[in-house]
Amino acid sequence: AQSVTQPDIHITVSEGASLELRCNYSYGATPYLFWYVQSPGQGLQLLLKYFSGDTLVQGIKGFEAEFKRSQSSFNLRKPSVHWSDAAEYFCAVGARGAAGNKLTFGGGTRVLVKP
Amino acid sequence: GAVVSQHPSRVICKSGTSVKIECRSLDFQATTMFWYRQFPKQSLMLMATSNEGSKATYEQGVEKDKFLINHASLTLSTLTVTSAHPEDSSFYICSARDFRGQGTGELFFGEGSRLTVL
Repeated sequence: AQSVTQPDIHITVSEGASLELRCNYSYGATPYLFWYVQSPGQGLQLLLKYFSGDTLVQGIKGFEAEFKRSQSSFNLRKPSVHWSDAAEYFCAVGARGAAGNKLTFGGGTRVLVKP
Repeated sequence: GAVVSQHPSRVICKSGTSVKIECRSLDFQATTMFWYRQFPKQSLMLMATSNEGSKATYEQGVEKDKFLINHASLTLSTLTVTSAHPEDSSFYICSARDFRGQGTGELFFGEGSRLTVL
């Protein structure tokens, strides 16, 4: 079975500083990988996804993530954080094939942005 | 991108009553929809997979008689929380797969429905 670990429950970062959110997964092969963002009381918005090809994936809102097979990681980064980036971030993994849309989510990382 | 809409966004009900939450795919057909539950400050837990025209598939530990799922059309799935109790209070989120994106793993999420049972 697949699983996802987000080691950091909370991260506080100053506005303008860089941000990196960690995500480690467990899956028997190369999975589909996703990062979602959730604002309070809202649904989820897809930031970016990795299916295959270039391991450095560009997403919306200036985010990027790098798939590292050797480390089973898919860390999310942003060079300069804006106050509007304060939210909950979820990493998710999906199995390839017909079951690919059944996602398993990590525990989430709450990002706080200091002025 | 594709749009998935949930209704109602917030609902408060008395203990013992039933509540229905709708999930609609607005601009695409969804043969499969997923229902998630999210407790405060926690992650999303998959409750069930809703399949158009057939019975839903429930995850282990989810009471199918408690959480009734109906997927009668390619654009609508409903989740009914029957005989609701305070412990059913939660944030329920649906997601839908665009029929054209079969196998890609990408889902589109609704805005969520917050249920409060008094």
